[in-house]
Amino acid sequence: AQKVTQAQTEISVVEKEDVTLDCVYETRDTTYYLFWYKQPPSGELVFLIRRNSFDEQNEISGRYSWNFQKSTSSFNFTITASQVVDSAVYFCALSEAPGNNDMRFGAGTRLTVKP
Amino acid sequence: DTGVSQNPRHKITKRGQNVTFRCDPISEHNRLYWYRQTLGQGPEFLTYFQNEAQLEKSRLLSDRFSAERPKGSFSTLEIQRTEQGDSAMYLCASSLIRSGETQYFGPGTRLLVL
Repeated sequence: AQKVTQAQTEISVVEKEDVTLDCVYETRDTTYYLFWYKQPPSGELVFLIRRNSFDEQNEISGRYSWNFQKSTSSFNFTITASQVVDSAVYFCALSEAPGNNDMRFGAGTRLTVKP
Repeated sequence: DTGVSQNPRHKITKRGQNVTFRCDPISEHNRLYWYRQTLGQGPEFLTYFQNEAQLEKSRLLSDRFSAERPKGSFSTLEIQRTEQGDSAMYLCASSLIRSGETQYFGPGTRLLVL
């Protein structure tokens, strides 16, 4: 069965610090997709990144970067030079394919960036 | 470019009443999903549609819950005889038909059952 674990419940940093949010997943499938979503206080889940299981290349998008390691079943998310606007709950999610279309979310990590 | 919309955004009801929520997906998206999110947790899958067909239901979807997508466009989620445990955020998402395709979420409907 698929499972996503975000062991960090809450993280607090000071603005401009780097922060890494951990995500560990479990799946029996060889084909699957991993996602990160951001949920600001307004409540809407904002899509950040999607990665399929065959693409282990790390990705950088501005201050955001993602480290996908199949050997450790991890898909970690790093924010460089954090800003107050990064304060939100961040969810990692897993979707198996084909046929299984529900996404399993982790419990989320609440990130607070203080000025 | 309109995203996923949900109505109402907030609903307060008394225990035992029926409530209905509406979701309008992104126009070209064939798949529509419903999730439930309780405080401090990630969203939990309830059900999904491909066009008008309901293809999968979670065990979380008790017989008091019913979802429809009659014309393959908008969807409704109805909860009958609401219970206090139904209090949660109900999220709708939509995606293109390909498996594993990114799901885009609406703002959610926050339900409070008194």
